[in-house]
Amino acid sequence: SQTIHQWPATLVQPVGSPLSLECTVEGTSNPNLYWYRQAAGRGLQLLFYSVGIGQISSEVPQNLSASRPQDRQFILSSKKLLLSDSGFYLCAWRGQGLGSPLHFGNGTRLTVT
Amino acid sequence: SQKIEQNSEALNIQEGKTATLTCNYTNYSPAYLQWYRQDPGRGPVFLLLIRENEKEKRKERLKVTFDTTLKQSLFHITASQPADSATYLCAVKTGANNLFFGTGTRLTVIP
Repeated sequence: SQTIHQWPATLVQPVGSPLSLECTVEGTSNPNLYWYRQAAGRGLQLLFYSVGIGQISSEVPQNLSASRPQDRQFILSSKKLLLSDSGFYLCAWRGQGLGSPLHFGNGTRLTVT
Repeated sequence: SQKIEQNSEALNIQEGKTATLTCNYTNYSPAYLQWYRQDPGRGPVFLLLIRENEKEKRKERLKVTFDTTLKQSLFHITASQPADSATYLCAVKTGANNLFFGTGTRLTVIP
């Protein structure tokens, strides 16, 4: 069966520090991969998605970047965190079929101080 | 661009009653719509998908309807239980590969 791992679960970082969140998927090949952010009381905001190795699409201009160095690995990064980067970050994967659901990791709670 | 509104931020109902949650979208009718459940501090979990040519879908105590004329989906939980308490999100297909989510409705089932 497929599983998705996302770490760390919580993170407290000072403003201006770098960020690296990692997500890996097991049990499936060539998944579509996604990074979402969820701010308190707001919906899920799509940040990046990837349909293959090295292919990254950005949905919103921001202080963050994403990379997909391997088929089932998706990394979210920042060189210098801002206070506004605080939030709940969720990685997800889905298959290729029309209507395939998103399968989410358990998220990373990031607090920038 | 597509906009989604879920009827209310919070809904409280008595155990055993039917909970009805609403999802309205504003622009084009999506090819499909999905419903997810999210517990505090966890990622959303997929519940049901309904396609634009389907009127209704059921799964155990869950029922989803899709009315492209009203641009609305209704999500029903019958015989609700305290364990059904969670935030429920609707999401619509947008673009080739993406889902656009509503802000969710927090359901509390009171024993």
